[in-house]
Amino acid sequence: DAKTTQPNSMESNEEEPVHLPCNHSTISGTDYIHWYRQLPSQGPEYVIHGLTSNVNNRMASLAIAEDRKSSTLILHRATLRDAAVYYCILRDRPHNYGQNFVFGPGTRLSVLP
Amino acid sequence: DTAVSQTPKYLVTQMGNDKSIKCEQNLGHDTMYWYKQDSKKFLKIMFSYNNKELIINETVPNRFSPKSPDKAHLNLHINSLELGDSAVYFCASSFSRETEAFFGQGTRLTVV
Repeated sequence: DAKTTQPNSMESNEEEPVHLPCNHSTISGTDYIHWYRQLPSQGPEYVIHGLTSNVNNRMASLAIAEDRKSSTLILHRATLRDAAVYYCILRDRPHNYGQNFVFGPGTRLSVLP
Repeated sequence: DTAVSQTPKYLVTQMGNDKSIKCEQNLGHDTMYWYKQDSKKFLKIMFSYNNKELIINETVPNRFSPKSPDKAHLNLHINSLELGDSAVYFCASSFSRETEAFFGQGTRLTVV
């Protein structure tokens, strides 16, 4: 059901930037791009979302391709606590509450000390 | 203060039993969800409730029934439990008009 594709796993060294890619070639004009992450033995937590423009928050940055068919989650300095499964998901415009978050398998990020 | 809380955290039960998992959110959200995460770690939407009305019901067996006594609660009832029901169940909530969903810590259900 997921409309996004991500690499199964990635590795990063501690304190280095991490770029997590996501392809969503069938994205519609009203789909928002969301990123969530799931730390071991915890529920998913929101990371960031965007529509067309690049977005920054305290956790990460989201770079969205001009054609919106791909995006990249950027962790500027990976820490050991960033080791998690990262999910890239699409959701229709916020006021369409009939749309739900459909999670794919995500990318398992390992951070090496 | 926990935003979305689920109880119990662990539940071990025998096949054929009926059990419930409770979920409460103190965020004032108007939409709540139940997800199932199986052994392969896929998160699958089961139900969502908006303003006490079921708005999406995925292809889930009718042994599973969500019940919402009020906007802050969405409980999951499971009848005639089967081995294949063993999984981690997550409750979540959000504002329908906003994009961020908050998830609970999960309930690990083991059917023996």
